[in-house]
Amino acid sequence: GAVVSQHPSWVICKSGTSVKIECRSLDFQATTMFWYRQFPKQSLMLMATSNEGSKATYEQGVEKDKFLINHASLTLSTLTVTSAHPEDSSFYICSARATGVEKGYTFGSGTRLTVV
Amino acid sequence: AQSVTQLGSHVSVSEGALVLLRCNYSSSVPPYLFWYVQYPNQGLQLLLKYTSAATLVKGINGFEAEFKKSETSFHLTKPSAHMSDAAEYFCAVRNQAGTALIFGKGTTLSVSS
Repeated sequence: GAVVSQHPSWVICKSGTSVKIECRSLDFQATTMFWYRQFPKQSLMLMATSNEGSKATYEQGVEKDKFLINHASLTLSTLTVTSAHPEDSSFYICSARATGVEKGYTFGSGTRLTVV
Repeated sequence: AQSVTQLGSHVSVSEGALVLLRCNYSSSVPPYLFWYVQYPNQGLQLLLKYTSAATLVKGINGFEAEFKKSETSFHLTKPSAHMSDAAEYFCAVRNQAGTALIFGKGTTLSVSS
């Protein structure tokens, strides 16, 4: 079946530094990838949608300059949290979608980011 | 705009009892609906999805859901709960653009022996 690999699974960084999270589709080509943020005991909030080779579409209220998304290939999307602050601490989950809704949406295992 | 509402943030059942997790949707177009399960500190695993075919959808691990347009509902059921079913469950609807999924707030299922 479709597998999405997300790395790292957890990361601790200092305030002011940047962190990159990778999301790879291992056995299919993901024309579209999605990035979600999940606060403890809460739902997943869509941050942005990225299509291979084009700029990401951000949801209202998401800072484009803070959360940089790159989708340079059909199998890789990255989310970079720039100048991280403690309030950016959260669980980030990526999702990839192949062609056709029948393929469904496959989720990565998530990244726990803690900014100290 | 598309949205889903999950009634009950926490459901507790005994092992072997019926599981019923409620989800109501709002959609301006024929909806595509999904149920996912999440274990602590993990991603989401698809249980089942409705994509305008059969209204009764069977998923993995004995779960099923019935799409009821008249009630705008897509409730998730399982006849007999198992301890391993304890997790967070999310109902989701595809957004109006037909791209991303919009999630409900989730329901925590607890199973006691």
